[in-house]
Amino acid sequence: AQSVTQLDSQVPVFEEAPVELRCNYSSSVSVYLFWYVQYPNQGLQLLLKYLSGSTLVKGINGFEAEFNKSQTSFHLRKPSVHISDTAEYFCAVSDRSGGSNYKLTFGKGTLLTVNP
Amino acid sequence: DAGITQSPRHKVTETGTPVTLRCHQTENHRYMYWYRQDPGHGLRLIHYSYGVKDTDKGEVSDGYSVSRSKTEDFLLTLESATSSQTSVYFCAISAGQGPNQPQHFGDGTRLSIL
Repeated sequence: AQSVTQLDSQVPVFEEAPVELRCNYSSSVSVYLFWYVQYPNQGLQLLLKYLSGSTLVKGINGFEAEFNKSQTSFHLRKPSVHISDTAEYFCAVSDRSGGSNYKLTFGKGTLLTVNP
Repeated sequence: DAGITQSPRHKVTETGTPVTLRCHQTENHRYMYWYRQDPGHGLRLIHYSYGVKDTDKGEVSDGYSVSRSKTEDFLLTLESATSSQTSVYFCAISAGQGPNQPQHFGDGTRLSIL
């Protein structure tokens, strides 16, 4: 069964500092990778996705992620964070393992707190 | 924003009572999903639907049933609520089920079972 590991449950950073949120996955078949963001009391919004092609993926709000197949990782980065980036971030994997339909499997989330 | 409305947004009820949560979409998307979100667990799939009257189980389906009689509505029912079902429930929709069809989420229903 596929699984997603987000290595840090909480990441505190100062405003304008760079940040990296780490995500590792395990799957024996081709995978498709996503990062979602959840602001307080809201649903999840898609930040970016990797389906194929270039391993560096750019998303909304200045975020980017790099797919590394050999390390089975899909880390999320931003060179300079803002207070408004404070939110919970979820890494997710989509594949067909265990059936004919694609299923999304989520990591447990990383709470990013940006301090002034 | 995707046209997804979850109702109610908040509910408090007692153990043993039936509870139904509603997800309504205006996008005419074929696929609809119910997830629950719990601290330390991320989101876990309860049930999903791939068309009217077509549903299937997710990884945490025990204690839950679903129905989809119209494209736009997907209902999640707890036949006899238990305290372990206290959670935040999210509905999601997608136009297709492939990875190129990302899921869009509603704002959630916070359910407390006392």
